[in-house]
Amino acid sequence: GQSLEQPSEVTAVEGAIVQINCTYQTSGFYGLSWYQQHDGGAPTFLSYNALDGLEETGRFSSFLSRSDSYGYLLLQELQMKDSASYFCAVGAFSGGYNKLIFGAGTRLAVHP
Amino acid sequence: EAGVTQFPSHSVIEKGQTVTLRCDPISGHDNLYWYRRVMGKEIKFLLHFVKESKQDESGMPNNRFLAERTGGTYSTLKVQPAELEDSGVYFCASSQGSSFSYEQYFGPGTRLTVT
Repeated sequence: GQSLEQPSEVTAVEGAIVQINCTYQTSGFYGLSWYQQHDGGAPTFLSYNALDGLEETGRFSSFLSRSDSYGYLLLQELQMKDSASYFCAVGAFSGGYNKLIFGAGTRLAVHP
Repeated sequence: EAGVTQFPSHSVIEKGQTVTLRCDPISGHDNLYWYRRVMGKEIKFLLHFVKESKQDESGMPNNRFLAERTGGTYSTLKVQPAELEDSGVYFCASSQGSSFSYEQYFGPGTRLTVT
């Protein structure tokens, strides 16, 4: 079957760095995406890793290790507005079709 | 450019009733997806349209759920008759191109409560 594991909650202070991990078990894997969702809002695409290594986009970076079935989202210089839920999502070929398989989300709370 | 819109934002219905959710994708996006999130769990895939055709409906829970996308523009998801376990947030997403994309643009969701 397909499964993703990520922590349910993470707490950090403004200005700090936080890492949200994601491990997955899936067949037909071709990439790992991250989405951000503020309360009541729409999930918003943050990043996609198809190859091993680190991808940096401003304060956010995403990492993938295909051999370890593991990735993480790194948020630097945390701001209050970063308080949100973060979902990892595996892009996989499953059941004859490509699809996104999401984790349950990590709720990040940033405190002053 | 307008984003993905969904209507209604909230719906409260009784078990056994019918509800229809609507999604308007970003103009020009041929791909449209429906997802559901139940009680803080994972966002689960329901189905994928390419234009007006159902590309993949493997995530639809049962035959009480019917999705349509006439004309390849907006889509509707009908639940009939609704059951308690259908409660959750229903998200719609769309993407560019002629096939599946990992970069999808989501709407804010419809929160469905079945009592």
